[in-house]
Amino acid sequence: AQSVTQLDSHVSVSEGTPVLLRCNYSSSYSPSLFWYVQHPNKGLQLLLKYTSAATLVKGINGFEAEFKKSETSFHLTKPSAHMSDAAEYFCVVTLFSGGYNKLIFGAGTRLAVHP
Amino acid sequence: NAGVTQTPKFRVLKTGQSMTLLCAQDMNHEYMYWYRQDPGMGLRLIHYSVGEGTTAKGEVPDGYNVSRLKKQNFLLGLESAAPSQTSVYFCASSRSPGASGRGGPDTQYFGPGTRLTVL
Repeated sequence: AQSVTQLDSHVSVSEGTPVLLRCNYSSSYSPSLFWYVQHPNKGLQLLLKYTSAATLVKGINGFEAEFKKSETSFHLTKPSAHMSDAAEYFCVVTLFSGGYNKLIFGAGTRLAVHP
Repeated sequence: NAGVTQTPKFRVLKTGQSMTLLCAQDMNHEYMYWYRQDPGMGLRLIHYSVGEGTTAKGEVPDGYNVSRLKKQNFLLGLESAAPSQTSVYFCASSRSPGASGRGGPDTQYFGPGTRLTVL
């Protein structure tokens, strides 16, 4: 069965330092994986998507994620945090069921960025 | 293109009242979805539609009804609101496999959300 575990519910970094948001997944087949970002009182925005073309995926706003099948991980990173990165981040895996691609969400990681 | 839009943005209801949330998309997507978001639980699927005139139940359908009379619109109804339905509601859309349009068939595009409080 497909599932997603985000290993940290809260992450706090200083502006200009690296960001690491961790995600492990469970899937019975080669999955599609996503990271979405949600800024306060806003909708979800797609950051990046993995669909088996390349294991290192680059997204918007300088974020990237690496798919590691051996570790069943899809961690999100950014070399240098910006204040505007403060938001909640969701790791998502898809399951094709009932005629559509069902999204299975992790519980979310809230990123705080301090000056 | 506006993408996915939702109305209203905020609403306060009393227990037992009814209301309808409207979702509209201009990406010619076949598939549309309604989710609710509650603290610490990510998003949970309420209902979805794979095309005009079709609807299906998701994970948490009880207390909600939906209709998809036009391809671009997906309505979510609460017939008798309860405090347990206090939540943020998100609509999303995606294209079907083999169809043209924005994004892959597994990529959903979300609206800005509706914050609903039931007293």
